[in-house]
Amino acid sequence: AQKVTQAQTEISVVEKEDVTLDCVYETRDTTYYLFWYKQPPSGELVFLIRRNSFDEQNEISGRYSWNFQKSTSSFNFTITASQVVDSAVYFCALSVYSGGGADGLTFGKGTHLIIQP
Amino acid sequence: DGGITQSPKYLFRKEGQNVTLSCEQNLNHDAMYWYRQDPGQGLRLIYYSQIVNDFQKGDIAEGYSVSREKKESFPLTVTSAQKNPTAFYLCASSIFQGMNTEAFFGQGTRLTVV
Repeated sequence: AQKVTQAQTEISVVEKEDVTLDCVYETRDTTYYLFWYKQPPSGELVFLIRRNSFDEQNEISGRYSWNFQKSTSSFNFTITASQVVDSAVYFCALSVYSGGGADGLTFGKGTHLIIQP
Repeated sequence: DGGITQSPKYLFRKEGQNVTLSCEQNLNHDAMYWYRQDPGQGLRLIYYSQIVNDFQKGDIAEGYSVSREKKESFPLTVTSAQKNPTAFYLCASSIFQGMNTEAFFGQGTRLTVV
C-alpha cells in the first residue's frame, strides 16, 4: 500500500518570506509518479507539477521549486518570496502502476499555508 | 471551455435518503474518479472508472454507488447506507495513459446531512 505524509498541518509566514512544504512518501513500487496540487478556498484542486521516479532533477517554475530525493523518499515544495495569493491548502500525491492503468492518486492530508500581508 | 462540471455546489440531504451528485466532463478523458474530502484530511478515493460501463471500488466505496453509461458522465449516489456522508466531494478525470497523467478536478459538491 502507498502512503503520503505531510507532517505540517498549517504554516503561517509573512509575505515575501520563503516557505518549504514537506512531503514524504512510501511505496514498494519502483515506478511511480509524484504530484503537487493547490486547493484555494474555492475548493477546486489545481495541478502544479508531476515528477516520475526516474527523474530526480529539481525543477523551478517562477517562484516555485521542487526538490525530489529518492534516498529520503521526499518531494518537497518551496515557494520563494511568498505572496498572499499563495494562501491555500497544498496536497502532495502519489500514483503507482497497478497494471490496470490510471487507478487514482494517494493523497497526503495537506498543508494549509497562510501568507500574512 | 473544456473542463469538469460538478453539480450542485451545495446539497442538503435528510437522513435515510439517497442523493446523486453529478459530474460531467468535456475533456474527452477516459478515466474518471470520485474523491471524498473531510476537514483536515486528504482526499480519499471512492470509485474510479477507466472506460465506459466499467468501474472499480476505491478505498472507501461502502455506502456509495456509481455508473458510467457515457464517457462524459460519472454520477455518484450517496446511499442511506453511508453512515457519515457529510463531506466535500470532488470529481476528477484524466487521460487513460496510466499513472503519469495528472488528474483535472471539478469545483466540488459540499454535501450536508440535516
